[in-house]
Amino acid sequence: DAKTTQPPSMDCAEGRAANLPCNHSTISGNEYVYWYRQIHSQGPQYIIHGLKNNETNEMASLIITEDRKSSTLILPHATLRDTAVYYCIVLTDSWGKLQFGAGTQVVVTP
Amino acid sequence: DTAVSQTPKYLVTQMGNDKSIKCEQNLGHDTMYWYKQDSKKFLKIMFSYNNKELIINETVPNRFSPKSPDKAHLNLHINSLELGDSAVYFCASSQARMASGYTFGSGTRLTVV
Repeated sequence: DAKTTQPPSMDCAEGRAANLPCNHSTISGNEYVYWYRQIHSQGPQYIIHGLKNNETNEMASLIITEDRKSSTLILPHATLRDTAVYYCIVLTDSWGKLQFGAGTQVVVTP
Repeated sequence: DTAVSQTPKYLVTQMGNDKSIKCEQNLGHDTMYWYKQDSKKFLKIMFSYNNKELIINETVPNRFSPKSPDKAHLNLHINSLELGDSAVYFCASSQARMASGYTFGSGTRLTVV
């Protein structure tokens, strides 16, 4: 499975959009991009995933570049409850085991 | 209703003891997992069972033994506890190992003194 690179931390103002980058330059054609987050002291929570096309659900949007070497998770209107560690994970098809890297610590401030 | 429940939530024990952590899921999932999150916050998969069959067994000391009596339960037994076993242990489940559908429990914080 391809490795991912994320910034270790970022701040975001409450109510503003949070754009979380992820670099996966070695991604191959059958690998998906998954995003999970872990709020302090809780288990990780699934957010969204995609293969080639941009995806949107009630939690976030996922923008994948045309060459698929990077992606951005967008939290459209960040709230204080979005403060968490966000993990970008690349997996071969939908059956792989989830392996978590260091992630990005996002702090949403009032 | 709690989807994936772990007991106990906190566990403090002495070195050398044997302890168990229990996990139950009521989601009807067929696959369950154990993850370990150490003090540096890295979350690593340890084991996975699919329909009571062991399918993932990462490099984990033999002192750790998972047991799945049925597909709704996956327990973790740890023998001869060591200081380095102190961590938060998370149980998770998914249906057909779908990576988009992992549901995690709230974790068991194990402290070995």
